[in-house]
Amino acid sequence: GQQLNQSPQSMFIQEGEDVSMNCTSSSIFNTWLWYKQDPGEGPVLLIALYKAGELTSNGRLTAQFGITRKDSFLNISASIPSDVGIYFCAGLTRDDKIIFGKGTRLHILP
Amino acid sequence: DAGITQSPRHKVTETGTPVTLRCHQTENHRYMYWYRQDPGHGLRLIHYSYGVKDTDKGEVSDGYSVSRSKTEDFLLTLESATSSQTSVYFCAIKGRVSTDTQYFGPGTRLTVL
Repeated sequence: GQQLNQSPQSMFIQEGEDVSMNCTSSSIFNTWLWYKQDPGEGPVLLIALYKAGELTSNGRLTAQFGITRKDSFLNISASIPSDVGIYFCAGLTRDDKIIFGKGTRLHILP
Repeated sequence: DAGITQSPRHKVTETGTPVTLRCHQTENHRYMYWYRQDPGHGLRLIHYSYGVKDTDKGEVSDGYSVSRSKTEDFLLTLESATSSQTSVYFCAIKGRVSTDTQYFGPGTRLTVL
């Protein structure tokens, strides 16, 4: 079946640093989504990407839809403590289901 | 806020007992989904519904059944719970404006002893 490979699995960074994470697949997706999950809560949608090559920002977050349609990237600039959590990429399949990556767990060191 | 609630939020049960989890939404969304989240697996689709009494299987449907008798409620039933069904269960709805996206409830943590 379709799978998304998300990397890195976890990151330890200093407050104020920039963060980059990515998601790749052997399959093409027409929509890429990025979610964040805080402890004890459900995932919350951060950014949705609908077009190959698209670059979309949401505050300090920027995501890109890869030109091949098989990958996507999320960058967080100037990280702050509330950025801690698990970030999931997700792709929308042709039969309208969403496939999730396994997540990148972000830790911020004081 | 997508108006999704899940109940119970936490449950501990014993192997072999039936368990029903409830997802309730207040915004008349047609599509609803049940996922489970496990370490190392991310979120995996169990079942989904595209209308009242219209449901279909997802990736990991074995051992689970669902029912949707009203638009606002989507029930997930474990007929005979097993320890492998210990997980966090999330309900989601499809966005109405952004139909390519899904919005999640707060989750139910289920422990099967």
